[in-house]
Order: sequence, then structure tokens, then C-alpha cells
Amino acid sequence: DAGITQSPRHKVTETGTPVTLRCHQTENHRYMYWYRQDPGHGLRLIHYSYGVKDTDKGEVSDGYSVSRSKTEDFLLTLESATSSQTSVYFCAISESNTGELFFGEGSRLTVL
Amino acid sequence: RKEVEQDPGPFNVPEGATVAFNCTYSNSASQSFFWYRQDCRKEPKLLMSVYSSGNEDGRFTAQLNRASQYISLLIRDSKLSDSATYLCVVNMYTGNQFYFGTGTSLTVIP
Repeated sequence: DAGITQSPRHKVTETGTPVTLRCHQTENHRYMYWYRQDPGHGLRLIHYSYGVKDTDKGEVSDGYSVSRSKTEDFLLTLESATSSQTSVYFCAISESNTGELFFGEGSRLTVL
Repeated sequence: RKEVEQDPGPFNVPEGATVAFNCTYSNSASQSFFWYRQDCRKEPKLLMSVYSSGNEDGRFTAQLNRASQYISLLIRDSKLSDSATYLCVVNMYTGNQFYFGTGTSLTVIP
């Protein structure tokens, strides 16, 4: 299995609080992605990174920011969590932008 | 319109049955195609890539029809362990984005 870990795995927070999810990889892959998965929508891309300090928005980026200061870490921040951001968040890595995606185990976030 | 569309199912089939899933994609510029499998409350994992000539891996066969913009997955001799959600994934070289279908749920019944 690819070396990719997410933390925290579960989090319950209140509306308006900041939340940071961490994705850590040991594969030295260039590409890293944050997805959210919701019933009826499938996996939707929030942000992705194609290198250190190189990031771009996905289709559902509003309310989220990311940072990648090291190859191995990709952080997803919700500046002020809302109930609509209750979801399961998956980090994924890929060696190329067209090849296999390897996913972390997911982070389940509940915003009350 | 969604980039990738799948019939969500559920498909409930007996052991040993053959089942087929289809997936359509909207962008003719799409370049690479995959089927992923996701077990309940787990992360998606690659099942197989889909090549223009079609490809087979044991009981699983994937095919691509570029003219009609759909891909298919055929599972023969279904096993209980095949019960999962199958995700269709399409990638365009530009934009570094993978687009996921909502998934098709399969339950194989003893």
C-alpha cells in the first residue's frame, strides 16, 4: 500500500471554527489532491498540488485553502467551518497527472 | 451536466452471475480512463485502467468506446467479495484533474 496518512481521521467541530486536515506521504509523489465525498455527488476535487508551493483550485474550492511547504505534506484548511462542509475528505497522491491515484483512508468531518 | 455519469444501481446479483456497468463521459478530450473499487467506509482503490483496445484482468473486462464516449466494466462469475461500489474515473491531460462518477453499487447475493 502507498504510504499516505491523513489526520485527524475523525473530527467534530462547531460552525465558525477553523479546521486543518493533514495529508502526509512517504512516496515522494509530485501530485497531491484533496477530495470530498458526499452522497449523490461522488468524489469532487477541492484543491490539488503539482509541486511544493504549487497549488490550484478544483471544482469545489470555495471555503477551503491549501498549503504545501514540503513534498510530503499537503494541508487543507477550512477557515470558518460551515455545516455544508460536513463530509468525508480524501487525500490522494499520484506520480503523474494521468496515472493511478492512491488514496488515504479518509477524514470524516462533522460540523455542528 | 456532470463530466462523468454512472447508473448508481444498486445491482443485486446472485453468485456466479455476470454483471456489466456502463459509464458515460462528456468531454471528448478525455484521455485516460479507470475503474476504481470502493468498499463501504473505505478509500477508493484502483481496479483497472481502461485502454482503447480493451483489457482483461481475470474475471474483469474493461472496454472503451471513444465514439460514443462511454466505458464499461464486465464482471464474470461474481463472488461475494465483489460486493462494493465501482467508480468510473476520467482524466484529461489538461488541468491535472480526475473526474469521478458517483459510483455503482453492487451486492452479490449467496
